[in-house]
Amino acid sequence: EPEVTQTPSHQVTQMGQEVILRCVPISNHLYFYWYRQILGQKVEFLVSFYNNEISEKSEIFDDQFSVERPDGSNFTLKIRSTKLEDSAMYFCAIPGPLGTEAFFGQGTRLTVV
Amino acid sequence: LAKTTQPISMDSYEGQEVNITCSHNNIATNDYITWYQQFPSQGPRFIIQGYKTKVTNEVASLFIPADRKSSTLSLPRVSLSDTAVYYCLVGESNNDMRFGAGTRLTVKP
Repeated sequence: EPEVTQTPSHQVTQMGQEVILRCVPISNHLYFYWYRQILGQKVEFLVSFYNNEISEKSEIFDDQFSVERPDGSNFTLKIRSTKLEDSAMYFCAIPGPLGTEAFFGQGTRLTVV
Repeated sequence: LAKTTQPISMDSYEGQEVNITCSHNNIATNDYITWYQQFPSQGPRFIIQGYKTKVTNEVASLFIPADRKSSTLSLPRVSLSDTAVYYCLVGESNNDMRFGAGTRLTVKP
């Protein structure tokens, strides 16, 4: 099973601050996804990223969000000017060997205070 | 994207077989059916995927009738550690997967 490591596991930030969430796959992948899950709610798709470009994005993924692959290995999700409602678990995921399933990281719990 | 409907919750006892059914009446020709498991504060974990008939792996079986408008995830002899939320997803790729509310399975001793 492909492995994905996310850092940090938990981040607390003040409202209005910028946060960067990181995701490192154990092997090279061109495709990457970000999802979030607000406590007690559904897992929501944010964005898919292929070969250094956004492939798909949801209505949640507005100008406050951005994704990057800064050094060819790890992927980042940046949230500018965080709001209280951004508090959630953020998961990155990579495609599995079948090509039609995904493997998720353990998540970053973001708490905005 | 095909809409899925599955029970909100189910209860079972250790050692029993659990069958969770998912309806997806609008499934498209190229769509696969994929099931994920999620424990609290963890990311969804891929369990099994199928297109038609029956698929079995070391964790579960997936039964898909000929019309593909539903599917049943079967967990043999569940244990307490199988208590989790189970999601049924339908789609032709892993790009832009849409999770529903899932089925919260509670396994009791």
